[in-house]
Amino acid sequence: EPEVTQTPSHQVTQMGQEVILRCVPISNHLYFYWYRQILGQKVEFLVSFYNNEISEKSEIFDDQFSVERPDGSNFTLKIRSTKLEDSAMYFCASTGGNQPQHFGDGTRLSIL
Amino acid sequence: GQQVMQIPQYQHVQEGEDFTTYCNSSTTLSNIQWYKQRPGGHPVFLIQLVKSGEVKKQKRLTFQFGEAKKNSSLHITATQTTDVGTYFCGSGGSTLGRLYFGRGTQLTVWP
Repeated sequence: EPEVTQTPSHQVTQMGQEVILRCVPISNHLYFYWYRQILGQKVEFLVSFYNNEISEKSEIFDDQFSVERPDGSNFTLKIRSTKLEDSAMYFCASTGGNQPQHFGDGTRLSIL
Repeated sequence: GQQVMQIPQYQHVQEGEDFTTYCNSSTTLSNIQWYKQRPGGHPVFLIQLVKSGEVKKQKRLTFQFGEAKKNSSLHITATQTTDVGTYFCGSGGSTLGRLYFGRGTQLTVWP
């Protein structure tokens, strides 16, 4: 069964540094999402992306965050200047339309 | 937004006992989706309910959507150790929009 893949599985970064999280959505899917989950808390929506532009973003997704689909397969989340509170599990998800969202295994981001 | 509250936060049961988790919203939900997240894993879609009063079953799992579409429940009959994980309800603002997740119920099953 096709799946969403995310790299790296764990990223450790110094506070203030930029980090890029990578995702390869399921190949025929058109709608992409980033969520985050702080340890022990619920999954929170960050941003959705369709047709090469952001379709919706949450209040968490401030100017420090950006997303990009640099080619036909990758979907990236960039955090420009990381803060301690950015430490979380980041999940990428995709859907083909009127289907459930499929989640990747996540990237655990640790900010030191 | 479509905020969903989920209870209980934790549930510990003996293997063979039943388990239920509840989701509630103050607003009418367009749909309710249930996900399971194993420890250290990612959310895995279980089911979606759309119609008022809808009931769906998956083996030992029974999902219900309230008549007013403001609450939902997941019931597991005769839990097994493989049922361990956190069960999240989520609701979508639109077919392709964001998912609003509940806090989740962390289920522990003792053998």
